[in-house]
Amino acid sequence: GESVGLHLPTLSVQEGDNSIINCAYSNSASDYFIWYKQESGKGPQFIIDIRSNMDKRQGQRVTVLLNKTVKHLSLQIAATQPGDSAVYFCAENPPSNTGKLIFGQGTTLQVKP
Amino acid sequence: DVKVTQSSRYLVKRTGEKVFLECVQDMDHENMFWYRQDPGLGLRLIYFSYDVKMKEKGDIPEGYSVSREKKERFSLILESASTNQTSMYLCASSSRGGSGGSTDTQYFGPGTRLTVL
Repeated sequence: GESVGLHLPTLSVQEGDNSIINCAYSNSASDYFIWYKQESGKGPQFIIDIRSNMDKRQGQRVTVLLNKTVKHLSLQIAATQPGDSAVYFCAENPPSNTGKLIFGQGTTLQVKP
Repeated sequence: DVKVTQSSRYLVKRTGEKVFLECVQDMDHENMFWYRQDPGLGLRLIYFSYDVKMKEKGDIPEGYSVSREKKERFSLILESASTNQTSMYLCASSSRGGSGGSTDTQYFGPGTRLTVL
């Protein structure tokens, strides 16, 4: 079946460094991807999205890269701050048009001061 | 600013009780979703609704039912709570999206941590 997976369960970075969180997706026809941030005890929060007709999209301190050739998605966080500590997970929209997304398991980002 | 609210942040119930979890969104979204989130299992879809009075089973509907009487409100019902339903419950909503029916971003509520004793 379809799945969205993250390469590493935990990523530890030094404050001020850049972070890169990766995600692999399995359905080459998926047309929309989202990154979410979930802090402890809270609901997931939308960070950034990208449609399949793009390969890069930038937000404030975050960049999402999409490589459709290898079905890979990444989230880059510039100058990582302690407030960035959270679980990050990606989601893909498969070509079913039901409104349902497929979510990855999540990567925990730990920022060391 | 998008807003999805859930009726309780924390809830403690006893086995066999009927439990209602309420979710309200103020974005006029057509789609609404209920998930549960457990360590190591990620987000699992329980039920979703794409219109008033419409509902579809998700991946794990057993032991749950839902109600959508108004567009902005989507309720999750545990008919007879059991200890294995102890979990974090998350509600989300999304618009129907652009032409062709493509989905749009799902926005989540803060979650309800339910404990069944």
